[in-house]
Amino acid sequence: GAGVSQSPSNKVTEKGKDVELRCDPISGHTALYWYRQSLGQGLEFLIYFQGNSAPDKSGLPSDRFSAERTGGSVSTLTIQRTQQEDSAVYLCASSLGSEQYFGPGTRLTVT
Amino acid sequence: DAKTTQPPSMDCAEGRAANLPCNHSTISGNEYVYWYRQIHSQGPQYIIHGLKNNETNEMASLIITEDRKSSTLILPHATLRDTAVYYCIVRALFTSGTYKYIFGTGTRLKVLA
Repeated sequence: GAGVSQSPSNKVTEKGKDVELRCDPISGHTALYWYRQSLGQGLEFLIYFQGNSAPDKSGLPSDRFSAERTGGSVSTLTIQRTQQEDSAVYLCASSLGSEQYFGPGTRLTVT
Repeated sequence: DAKTTQPPSMDCAEGRAANLPCNHSTISGNEYVYWYRQIHSQGPQYIIHGLKNNETNEMASLIITEDRKSSTLILPHATLRDTAVYYCIVRALFTSGTYKYIFGTGTRLKVLA
């Protein structure tokens, strides 16, 4: 079946612009996670949605970052007034139980 | 939150067992240990997880010490396709009842022909 998909696969933006990154989780998965992976680094947790519960936003690095999950399915990660340090691969994962299924990521480059 | 430490890199000969260690000395009693791997330019892939008993599946075995302060992932017969970064992760339980996966820095395993 279809896995987790993310779009766009690559995004180049100018410093100061806003960007939106999209994640389509596996159908029926109740949990959705966003991570950030800077070049050569491990994964940094950003935000977690579980069903209809309030999201866990404890990993968001600043108030320029926000995320929504509409209808318990698709999620959008928004970065406002992008900075060069925001350049990274943004990974989305979904799960129904204990195993997370990751998407291919969106590579964001802020110039 | 429990944190994990792993060696930054390891080499393994093709066909031999690859043993990847992980320290998680501050792990709590209800926190699971997970292993994922990430092949270049792809999203991480689940391998195995455990709480306190040793686990085995078609991909690997997970050995957790009795005090749960460390674990070892074993790939019994490494192939070139097993070359990847392997992440040891502790799944922490929030007071809200939700979970967070805390990724370590990973071990870059290179399988040599």
